Amino acid sequence: RKEVEQDPGPFNVPEGATVAFNCTYSNSASQSFFWYRQDCRKEPKLLMSVYSSGNEDGRFTAQLNRASQYISLLIRDSKLSDSATYLCVVTSSGGSYIPTFGRGTSLIVHP
Amino acid sequence: EAQVTQNPRYLITVTGKKLTVTCSQNMNHEYMSWYRQDPGLGLRQIYYSMNVEVTDKGDVPEGYKVSRKEKRNFPLILESPSPNQTSLYFCASSLVGGRANEQFFGPGTRLTVL
Repeated sequence: RKEVEQDPGPFNVPEGATVAFNCTYSNSASQSFFWYRQDCRKEPKLLMSVYSSGNEDGRFTAQLNRASQYISLLIRDSKLSDSATYLCVVTSSGGSYIPTFGRGTSLIVHP
Repeated sequence: EAQVTQNPRYLITVTGKKLTVTCSQNMNHEYMSWYRQDPGLGLRQIYYSMNVEVTDKGDVPEGYKVSRKEKRNFPLILESPSPNQTSLYFCASSLVGGRANEQFFGPGTRLTVL
């Protein structure tokens, strides 16, 4: 089983739609969680960190479910500019600090 | 400006010709890492370094070498490139420890080995 799994998609949604992605992780000792955004052939950039209490940044909401070992990203009122690949990143505790990337979920927002 | 730089950005080479891709960061980060990204496979870690003179293998280290003589630089060396090393390469850096381990990525190096 892969350590961090994501549905590759693509998720094809119209402008204004609400879309949600999940990411599951296998290491129960995982401590830090992030969502990155990657545009085609560009470098990944941090979208948001995911805290135990969940967090919201404008149209984006990230949540963590430790019991079921998944994190989620919700995008409301999708824009054309949201089209990208969204990468889930999980970092384990224990001092080793090695971030593990999911393969990414592709989102295409169409007019 | 805080950034990670990589050079070259694009490189076409031939099998067996040694090459080095440089990576430099100006944020005083301890952690640096190299990834390759291939269609359908996502980002795969090649090597990483927790600090100067400390390097470790990632998931796909075969055919690559790295060094960390200075904190800011982490070059990736391909002693004898082969066509299966054709890929998009990213260097990344971050602080170590704490919750906000945001990784900063370089712009990428697109390598083609003929």
